[in-house]
Amino acid sequence: EEQLLESGGGLVQPGGSLRLSCGASGLTFSNYVMSWVRQAPGKGLEWVSHISATGLQTDYADSVKGRFIISRDNSKNTLYLQMNSLRGDDTAVYYCAKNGATWRAFDIWGPGTMVTVSS
Amino acid sequence: DIQMTQSPSSLSASVGDRVTITCRASQSVSRYLNWYQQKPGKAPKSLIYAASILQGGVPSRFIGSGSGTDFTLTISSLQPEDFATYYCQQSYDTPRTFGQGTKVEIK
Repeated sequence: EEQLLESGGGLVQPGGSLRLSCGASGLTFSNYVMSWVRQAPGKGLEWVSHISATGLQTDYADSVKGRFIISRDNSKNTLYLQMNSLRGDDTAVYYCAKNGATWRAFDIWGPGTMVTVSS
Repeated sequence: DIQMTQSPSSLSASVGDRVTITCRASQSVSRYLNWYQQKPGKAPKSLIYAASILQGGVPSRFIGSGSGTDFTLTISSLQPEDFATYYCQQSYDTPRTFGQGTKVEIK
């Protein structure tokens, strides 16, 4: 069974940093584009970033560009999100998601990890 | 950026009802349109991709249609486990964008 599991969330002060991880199992991780999607409390879904299968290409939402860095280690089947200069509006549940090969839907999701930015 | 607009934002329906949710893109996304179901406190679940293809294990009462800018998700006979929030999302271009969601509640 294909599974994703996020970790690394928690409480951080404004201006602080946090690194999220997402471990994959039951799938050939190195074959797939991977994404981060977030959801602020009581709000809808927002795409944050994605990374190519090789890790050579990345894209970011304007709201996080220059502050967040997505990366992956295919030897460890793990996706990362380095979050710097955190702000209150970054408070959200962060999900990692596998992208389908052809139509690029988010076909597998992790359960999410909560990030709270507050003093 | 491609804007995705869902309607309605919420609806009340009874078990057995036929329910239709619409999603409109601000420009053509071809058939790169996906639907997700989310229950409270849970991660979203992929229901339909490529506008009309059901993910494995998704019941056939979920029907997706459309192409270009106008899309529809229909639940042919609403079941108790279908009460949730539904999101459309385009995967045609970056940034990937979601509709604001449609909450399906029990009447």
